[in-house]
Amino acid sequence: DTEVTQTPKHLVMGMTNKKSLKCEQHMGHRAMYWYKQKAKKPPELMFVYSYEKLSINESVPSRFSPECPNSSLLNLHLHALQPEDSALYLCASSQDGQVVPLHFGNGTRLTVT
Amino acid sequence: GESVGLHLPTLSVQEGDNSIINCAYSNSASDYFIWYKQESGKGPQFIIDIRSNMDKRQGQRVTVLLNKTVKHLSLQIAATQPGDSAVYFCAENTETSYDKVIFGPGTSLSVIP
Repeated sequence: DTEVTQTPKHLVMGMTNKKSLKCEQHMGHRAMYWYKQKAKKPPELMFVYSYEKLSINESVPSRFSPECPNSSLLNLHLHALQPEDSALYLCASSQDGQVVPLHFGNGTRLTVT
Repeated sequence: GESVGLHLPTLSVQEGDNSIINCAYSNSASDYFIWYKQESGKGPQFIIDIRSNMDKRQGQRVTVLLNKTVKHLSLQIAATQPGDSAVYFCAENTETSYDKVIFGPGTSLSVIP
C-alpha cells in the first residue's frame, strides 16, 4: 500500500461539472506535487507546493486549480474540463529542500465526458 | 531542450534472464537520477537512485549505471521475475531545481514465464 492516499480512485465528470481530487500524506513531507499522466506516456508535472505555498505551475490551464490547505493535504479543483483532460492524475510528496525520490499515490483516473 | 529519453520502448525477457533498460538524457546539469517502476493501475514506485558523483549503485537485484560522458543511464535487473513486468521510467533533476523532476518516456518490460 502507498503512503500517499488519493481519492477518488475513479471520477467521471461532464464538461460543466465542478469536482475536486484529494491527496493526503502523513510522512511529514513538506513538498507535494500534482502530475498528469496520459495512457502510455510518462507523468507530466503540473504543480508543486513547498511548505504549503505554490512554488511551480507548469503553465497549467486555469480550469485546474490547486490548493494546499495544510502540510498533509493537497487538492486539485476541476472546472469546465475538456475531454482531452481525461487522464490519470497522480499526487506525490517528498522531503523539501533536497533531491530525494518522490512518493506517489495510485492516482485518480479521470474521465471527462 | 531538456529531455530524458529511452532507447527501447518495449522489452521482453525470459524469466530468470537479466534485463537491461536504457535511458539517455540531454541536460548535462542533471545531477540526480531515479528509476521508477509503474505497475498497471498504480502510481510510480521508487526503485533506485544515483547521484552524479557516482557511476554505479547496487540494490537488491537491481543495479544502476551512470555514464556522464555520453549522458546515459541504465537499469539492470538480475534474474528477472514475472513480478518485474511493468513500465520503467528514468527521471532526473538538479540540485538547483530539486523539485522539478523530469520523466523519460518509459520502457515496458514483459517477462515471459
